[in-house]
Amino acid sequence: GESVGLHLPTLSVQEGDNSIINCAYSNSASDYFIWYKQESGKGPQFIIDIRSNMDKRQGQRVTVLLNKTVKHLSLQIAATQPGDSAVYFCAETNGGGSRLTFGEGTQLTVNP
Amino acid sequence: EAGVAQSPRYKIIEKRQSVAFWCNPISGHATLYWYQQILGQGPKLLIQFQNNGVVDDSQLPKDRFSAERLKGVDSTLKIQPAKLEDSAVYLCASSSPPGLASRETQYFGPGTRLLVL
Repeated sequence: GESVGLHLPTLSVQEGDNSIINCAYSNSASDYFIWYKQESGKGPQFIIDIRSNMDKRQGQRVTVLLNKTVKHLSLQIAATQPGDSAVYFCAETNGGGSRLTFGEGTQLTVNP
Repeated sequence: EAGVAQSPRYKIIEKRQSVAFWCNPISGHATLYWYQQILGQGPKLLIQFQNNGVVDDSQLPKDRFSAERLKGVDSTLKIQPAKLEDSAVYLCASSSPPGLASRETQYFGPGTRLLVL
């Protein structure tokens, strides 16, 4: 079946560096993408979203890039902080409803 | 505002036993979701309610899993009988109808960690 997946299971960066987390999706009908952050022992927390009619969206210290040609999504975190250490999931859905399909997650570790 | 509440936070049972999880969504949120998250994987939707009606239960193993949302607010998810492979975190999420320029954002609870021995 169609799914959303991540290229790298783990990412380790130094505090203050920029982080880039990647995601590949296979459902060409997907029109809405979301990045979630999940800390240990907690539920996923919404970070940022993007619609398919956009290729870039910025938030506070985070930027999401969408390349529909190659079905690729990325999350950029500027000036990564220890509090950013968590598992990051991309999720996608299509206009037919609000069911989210999650990828398997990337564990981000920020070293002080 | 208060977030999504779930209980219990942890549960250990033996296989073939029954277990139930409870979820209280954010006040005013009409849509409620139950997800199963196996260790190392992303959450997988089990069932979605709109008020007290089921919208999507296509991925719910109905031979052993059941869920209800009788009054359109709280919800319970039950497993009977449990299997070893049911060990996972069970997440509840809720959302409200989107505005004109936005999509529904799902807010997740802390989850219930189930271990089946």
